[in-house]
Amino acid sequence: AQSVTQLDSHVSVSEGTPVLLRCNYSSSYSPSLFWYVQHPNKGLQLLLKYTSAATLVKGINGFEAEFKKSETSFHLTKPSAHMSDAAEYFCVVSANNRGYNKLIFGAGTRLAVHP
Amino acid sequence: KAGVTQTPRYLIKTRGQQVTLSCSPISGHRSVSWYQQTPGQGLQFLFEYFSETQRNKGNFPGRFSGRQFSNSRSEMNVSTLELGDSALYLCASGRWTGGSTDTQYFGPGTRLTVL
Repeated sequence: AQSVTQLDSHVSVSEGTPVLLRCNYSSSYSPSLFWYVQHPNKGLQLLLKYTSAATLVKGINGFEAEFKKSETSFHLTKPSAHMSDAAEYFCVVSANNRGYNKLIFGAGTRLAVHP
Repeated sequence: KAGVTQTPRYLIKTRGQQVTLSCSPISGHRSVSWYQQTPGQGLQFLFEYFSETQRNKGNFPGRFSGRQFSNSRSEMNVSTLELGDSALYLCASGRWTGGSTDTQYFGPGTRLTVL
């Protein structure tokens, strides 16, 4: 079975400092992994997607994530936080590899950005 | 290109009533999935439809049902509402690419409150 664990429920950073949101996954085969962001009272927006083409994935708004098979990790990073990055972030794994669209979500990490 | 749209955005119902939520996918997308988001359980998969057929189902009681029309629009229905059904219901659409995992794009959600 597939699962994801987001290691921090809350992360607080100062504006202009780096962001690191940690995610570990479990999958019985090569997974597809995603990061989504949810701003208050909004739906989910795709930040980036890993599907085995490259281990370092670049996303929107300066975010990127690195797939590390040996560590079963897919951590999200950004070099410099902006106030507008304050939101909830979800690490997501696809539940199977047959193209069926069932996503398994982590519990989420709430990112706070302070001036 | 227009995104995923969901109607209504907000609903208030009382226990025992039923409710129908609607989702219009991105043009050209034939897969529609539904998710429930609550503070306690997080984001959970309800079901997925493709070409008017339910292709995948989550672990929810039979009170939760859905359907998809020939134009790919989808509805979900919850009968005999319970207080615990209060949640944000998110719809996502994707293009089924055959063998690889699809990217799902989410709508803004319908906020259901059961009194």
